[in-house]
Amino acid sequence: EDQVTQSPEALRLQEGESSSLNCSYTVSGLRGLFWYRQDPGKGPEFLFTLYSAGEEKEKERLKATLTKKESFLHITAPKPEDSATYLCAVQLYSSASKIIFGSGTRLSIRP
Amino acid sequence: EAQVTQNPRYLITVTGKKLTVTCSQNMNHEYMSWYRQDPGLGLRQIYYSMNVEVTDKGDVPEGYKVSRKEKRNFPLILESPSPNQTSLYFCATRLAGVGADTQYFGPGTRLTVL
Repeated sequence: EDQVTQSPEALRLQEGESSSLNCSYTVSGLRGLFWYRQDPGKGPEFLFTLYSAGEEKEKERLKATLTKKESFLHITAPKPEDSATYLCAVQLYSSASKIIFGSGTRLSIRP
Repeated sequence: EAQVTQNPRYLITVTGKKLTVTCSQNMNHEYMSWYRQDPGLGLRQIYYSMNVEVTDKGDVPEGYKVSRKEKRNFPLILESPSPNQTSLYFCATRLAGVGADTQYFGPGTRLTVL
């Protein structure tokens, strides 16, 4: 069964304390992996798309990487405004219309 | 401004009373989709549409209907809502085709069924 698992469920960091969020996937043919940011009461906001193992994307303090089994979202020197829930999702070759989401990591950055 | 709008944003209703949640986009996107989000379960796809008059089931379609008569609109219909459909609902859109994978989400509709 196609599955996406994110860990940890919640992460509390001090401002400036770098860390990584994990997204592991078990799918039959990965077409693409997506990272989204979701603020409370709002819709998810697109961050990155990764298509092949070894690929990396960066945006400000965030960097996403992809291997054949998992993706990491690295947060360098985070600020309180980086507090949000980060969602990972995968798209399959077998059904490009279907997007499977993980349950998210709730990140909290203390000043 | 590129937008995905949903209405209503909040709704409290009673079991069995038919309701419609509207979704509209101004980006001329072919692909539209509905998700529900529940604590601990993440976003789950209800229905999607690849273009006008083309719709298909997602992972959790039971109890829902959709229609796509116009490219910009994709309403979600609950013919006889039940309490287990209490959830946060999101509409999402994107272009169709290779590489056009970025989904844009609406602001969400919080539905409570009593």
